[in-house]
Amino acid sequence: AQTVTQSQPEMSVQEAETVTLSCTYDTSESNYYLFWYKQPPSRQMILVIRQEAYKQQNATENRFSVNFQKAAKSFSLKISDSQLGDTAMYFCAFMTSIVPLNDYKLSFGAGTTVTVRA
Amino acid sequence: DVKVTQSSRYLVKRTGEKVFLECVQDMDHENMFWYRQDPGLGLRLIYFSYDVKMKEKGDIPEGYSVSREKKERFSLILESASTNQTSMYLCASIPSWDSENNEQFFGPGTRLTVL
Repeated sequence: AQTVTQSQPEMSVQEAETVTLSCTYDTSESNYYLFWYKQPPSRQMILVIRQEAYKQQNATENRFSVNFQKAAKSFSLKISDSQLGDTAMYFCAFMTSIVPLNDYKLSFGAGTTVTVRA
Repeated sequence: DVKVTQSSRYLVKRTGEKVFLECVQDMDHENMFWYRQDPGLGLRLIYFSYDVKMKEKGDIPEGYSVSREKKERFSLILESASTNQTSMYLCASIPSWDSENNEQFFGPGTRLTVL
């Protein structure tokens, strides 16, 4: 399994402020996919944002954006204008793109719990 | 919408019992996965399946087995439950390879307690 590291177990942010979650990973592959998943309390895990390593442009989805630094193997998530509904655990995940191996497995980081304060 | 359902949200079993966790997806996905989620460890892959009757070990398969007799259903089996298998278990599925659609869809999870 690829190693994915999230070094911040918990983060707290005031409503309407910005918070950035860090993620680093280790791979020798040149192309792969990176994901941020959100797991709200007692609710289902959902995809927040996805980045393909070959695409230089950083992905954005509304208030969520990433800073992808391929050389540094870093993939941070920025949540802008934080809302109470953003309170959740966030997981960074890695997927290879070696298609012939039918390898769709995800390797996850340990997660970061984000609490948005009113 | 893709739906992945799991048979139980909460389950309490005794040490030594045989435990079945069921997962069903309704979108004809070829690939299905079982993860366990523990605090500070994230999600770790137990087993996955890329076709009916096919299975592959993940990173932590010891103490578990799986069954995939039908495309939509993937079962996780604890042959003899132990207290260190107390955890949250998540099932996921993903369609065949599509670079624009490689999102894994997750079930709600089963929180298993082994006493």
